[in-house]
Amino acid sequence: KAGVTQTPRYLIKTRGQQVTLSCSPISGHRSVSWYQQTPGQGLQFLFEYFSETQRNKGNFPGRFSGRQFSNSRSEMNVSTLELGDSALYLCASSDGSANYGYTFGSGTRLTVV
Amino acid sequence: QKEVEQNSGPLSVPEGAIASLNCTYSDRVSQSFFWYRQYSGKSPELIMSIYSNGDKEDGRFTAQLNKASQYVSLLIRDSQPSDSATYLCAVKLWAAGNKLTFGGGTRVLVKP
Repeated sequence: KAGVTQTPRYLIKTRGQQVTLSCSPISGHRSVSWYQQTPGQGLQFLFEYFSETQRNKGNFPGRFSGRQFSNSRSEMNVSTLELGDSALYLCASSDGSANYGYTFGSGTRLTVV
Repeated sequence: QKEVEQNSGPLSVPEGAIASLNCTYSDRVSQSFFWYRQYSGKSPELIMSIYSNGDKEDGRFTAQLNKASQYVSLLIRDSQPSDSATYLCAVKLWAAGNKLTFGGGTRVLVKP
């Protein structure tokens, strides 16, 4: 069974640019969550999509947005990049039930210069 | 008060000893609890889940849950150098749907 696939693995962007990250969940999983991980703040929840609908949202500015397609693949977009957006962005796949833990992808390391 | 709190460590344990990690959470209606292991430069990996009060054992790992006291712990028996990693406690809140809230993690160092 294929795991969670995130692309790209690494990105270097300039301040002010925008970026799109992609995540393909485990086959059959309809829930995709996104997290930002930094050394200072740890794992911070961005949002969760379930069956193409945003079900939960964290406390991030509107520059961070996402969507989910009918095949459950999800994309996350960050516009007007800031230096502080440099982080590891992790996608997590779940069947959406309360007692099911997440399976994480390998992450996308974003560096903003 | 943070929703999920862990001691950041590092927790240094000799090889073969028991490592004991603790986690407290603030929301009484939390329903599902998870422990993840994260090696440096890697993504978190689920190692244990627990939903009911008491102990749950899986190999060298034991998770303990006490909902009345709002804490969950992880014991690692016969610690090995390969157990050196950051351990993340995560909690699902019934009111928050499927959202998983993480603690800051405890760094564990197992010394040969």
